Amino acid sequence: DTGVSQDPRHKITKRGQNVTFRCDPISEHNRLYWYRQTLGQGPEFLTYFQNEAQLEKSRLLSDRFSAERPKGSFSTLEIQRTEQGDSAMYLCASSITRGPPGDGYTFGSGTRLTVV
Amino acid sequence: GDSVTQMEGPVTLSEEAFLTINCTYTATGYPSLFWYVQYPGEGLQLLLKATKADDKGSNKGFEATYRKETTSFHLEKGSVQVSDSAVYFCALRGTSGSRLTFGEGTQLTVNP
Repeated sequence: DTGVSQDPRHKITKRGQNVTFRCDPISEHNRLYWYRQTLGQGPEFLTYFQNEAQLEKSRLLSDRFSAERPKGSFSTLEIQRTEQGDSAMYLCASSITRGPPGDGYTFGSGTRLTVV
Repeated sequence: GDSVTQMEGPVTLSEEAFLTINCTYTATGYPSLFWYVQYPGEGLQLLLKATKADDKGSNKGFEATYRKETTSFHLEKGSVQVSDSAVYFCALRGTSGSRLTFGEGTQLTVNP
């Protein structure tokens, strides 16, 4: 297992276009998280899944954003009608619920989105 | 809601200097506390953690002690190296949920 994989690493899109990112978590991890990180800031929580169920969504996740994890394995994050303010690093992380409560996550390297 | 405040950066040190990066938090109950490190072009990596008051997390020469009375989790290292240059994030996970709440990060540069 090579850890959490995210694809693509970089995406440049024109304002108004739709984009989709993919995350492949560590295979035995049943929890999957999406975060957004803007330049000079810490990551901000967007949403998380336990298996295929989306259990929590942040208020940051506007109706232009949708995330899925159809079979409890990989996940996709789609942004519709992109805006310049969507430019950020989108981070995926995974964890396992039967681990100790203090366990952190394993993060992917992220997808950097630039909206022009 | 939960929040994490880190000392303002960036921090620039000479090799072998002593490092402290301050972190304070606001949360209900007893959150778990973490330090993550992000090297250029890479994802966040867990550096150390502590799950209850007075616990000390340590890794790679870095240490942080969970201080409930001062709601702090300051990161320290006795002798930094050039390879420690990175962005350091303090984070907490509250008792009621699974999400991590991060501080704004502190850029550390260590010069030879």
